[in-house]
Amino acid sequence: ELKVEQNPLFLSMQEGKNYTIYCNYSTTSDRLYWYRQDPGKSLESLFVLLSNGAVKQEGRLMASLDTKARLSTLHITAAVHDLSATYFCAVDVKGAQKLVFGQGTRLTINP
Amino acid sequence: DVKVTQSSRYLVKRTGEKVFLECVQDMDHENMFWYRQDPGLGLRLIYFSYDVKMKEKGDIPEGYSVSREKKERFSLILESASTNQTSMYLCASRQGGAGYEQYFGPGTRLTVT
Repeated sequence: ELKVEQNPLFLSMQEGKNYTIYCNYSTTSDRLYWYRQDPGKSLESLFVLLSNGAVKQEGRLMASLDTKARLSTLHITAAVHDLSATYFCAVDVKGAQKLVFGQGTRLTINP
Repeated sequence: DVKVTQSSRYLVKRTGEKVFLECVQDMDHENMFWYRQDPGLGLRLIYFSYDVKMKEKGDIPEGYSVSREKKERFSLILESASTNQTSMYLCASRQGGAGYEQYFGPGTRLTVT
């Protein structure tokens, strides 16, 4: 059974700092997705990573995928308050049409 | 742009009532999903459907049923609502095949009193 674990689950940081959220998964997959959720809102797609070594960047966020290590990272550069949200990673279940989600990382960026 | 809509943003029902949550997507996606989200428990898959009239149980199907009579519409049914079904319900859709992201609706916050 595929398990997806995020780390840390809670992260409080100051504006201007850099940090990384980690997403580990337990079985082979080469497709991983990152989502953002603002309080009281639904999930919004951030990145789709479809192969080993894939790297995507949008503004201050950069996501990468290492399928051999079964690890994806979401790196935040020079954080700003607007990035405060909960971030989820999700992995494709091979042979099925569904995703397995991590627990989510609640990120709070303080001025 | 893909659009997934849900019939209500907020819903209050009484214990024992039958509750219908509707989800509609406009991108001809094969796959549709119902999740519930509770604090500290993340997203949990209730049911999903990969084609009209086809359904599969997710991780927590007990107390729920679903219906998919048309490709664009996926309904979640609570046969007899209970207070432990108070939650945020999220619908999602996804194109069939590999490597496609899921698109989520705005969510329905259901309170059962």
